[in-house]
Amino acid sequence: KQEVTQIPAALSVPEGENLVLNCSFTDSAIYNLQWFRQDPGKGLTSLLLIQSSQREQTSGRLNASLDKSSGRSTLYIAASQPGDSATYLCAVSGANNLFFGTGTRLTVIP
Amino acid sequence: DAGVIQSPRHEVTEMGQEVTLRCKPISGHNSLFWYRQTMMRGLELLIYFNNNVPIDDSGMPEDRFSAKMPNASFSTLKIQPSEPRDSAVYFCASSQGLRVDTGELFFGEGSRLTVL
Repeated sequence: KQEVTQIPAALSVPEGENLVLNCSFTDSAIYNLQWFRQDPGKGLTSLLLIQSSQREQTSGRLNASLDKSSGRSTLYIAASQPGDSATYLCAVSGANNLFFGTGTRLTVIP
Repeated sequence: DAGVIQSPRHEVTEMGQEVTLRCKPISGHNSLFWYRQTMMRGLELLIYFNNNVPIDDSGMPEDRFSAKMPNASFSTLKIQPSEPRDSAVYFCASSQGLRVDTGELFFGEGSRLTVL
């Protein structure tokens, strides 16, 4: 069964800093990988979707990379802002299912 | 588009009562998914539908759980009878893709269920 791990579980950074969130998975036979953001008491908002044939995707200050062979993805956030504070989850697809990591809770300190 | 709409946002009920959660997917999306989120287990897929037809309900925990999708714009998740261990946030999501692993998912804001 696919296992998805996100480390660290929590991260605090000062405003303006660039940061990287990590996601690792055990089975490289995936269709795609998706990064989500979840605010407290809210649903998940899709940030970026990377197909298995792609290496990275960019949206504004966000850049996600995918290395299937090593079972890793990173989410790079440039020039972090307090509004970026949320929990970030990655989800890996395969075998007609989506496997979610437990998330990294990010706090950006003004 | 209004996005995926779920109701109720919060539900508090007593053990043994019936609970019905509702979901309206994004118009034009072919697939609808029900997830459950808890601190202990994270996000779990309960069931999903393609074109209103249930495809995979292997994640439904027990016979007490049932889900229906009578048309393309409405789905329900029912728990009868409810138990305290059912307390969780239940999310509905929809996608244009026909499989859970091929399309971008769009989530509703969830229904927080508390069973006393």
